[in-house]
Amino acid sequence: NAGVTQTPKFRILKIGQSMTLQCTQDMNHNYMYWYRQDPGMGLKLIYYSVGAGITDKGEVPNGYNVSRSTTEDFPLRLELAAPSQTSVYFCASRPLVGTEAFFGQGTRLTVV
Amino acid sequence: GQQVMQIPQYQHVQEGEDFTTYCNSSTTLSNIQWYKQRPGGHPVFLIQLVKSGEVKKQKRLTFQFGEAKKNSSLHITATQTTDVGTYFCADIIQGAQKLVFGQGTRLTINP
Repeated sequence: NAGVTQTPKFRILKIGQSMTLQCTQDMNHNYMYWYRQDPGMGLKLIYYSVGAGITDKGEVPNGYNVSRSTTEDFPLRLELAAPSQTSVYFCASRPLVGTEAFFGQGTRLTVV
Repeated sequence: GQQVMQIPQYQHVQEGEDFTTYCNSSTTLSNIQWYKQRPGGHPVFLIQLVKSGEVKKQKRLTFQFGEAKKNSSLHITATQTTDVGTYFCADIIQGAQKLVFGQGTRLTINP
């Protein structure tokens, strides 16, 4: 199984540009999450979803949007990139019945 | 909102020394999870604790959940260089199913 797949792995954006970080899981997990991790820091929850069509804000949602049209996909959209959004972004999924969250490899984003 | 506070933020030890990280909450936790993130990697699940006073072991790692379910600890006996990384505790906020992480403890080891 591929697990949780994030694309791209690296990206450099200019201030004001927009982009979508892709996240796909093939484990039929209900719950999906987006986190950002600044250098040397912890994981901050941006948005999460408990199922297709349902999303909710986490701790740091400003500047981001998400959608969950299918169980498998949970893209994260940055509309107007700012230097403060320079970070590593992790997507994770968790099953309805179960415990552990599975993480993707991360997307390293730099905004210049 | 509900938060888990983790200490210390950093810990540097000599190889062979023990290491402990603590996770504290002002409110009662339904359960607590622990993850490890190697440098440059992604978080990987270690364990989940559910019951009050629960103690679980994984080789040199011992996980405890407090009697009041407001704190937890991870203890590593006789650290090895393979233990290097950041250890996070995480709380699943019931109902909302939010998975919220503590700030992490970064462990470095002098061989």
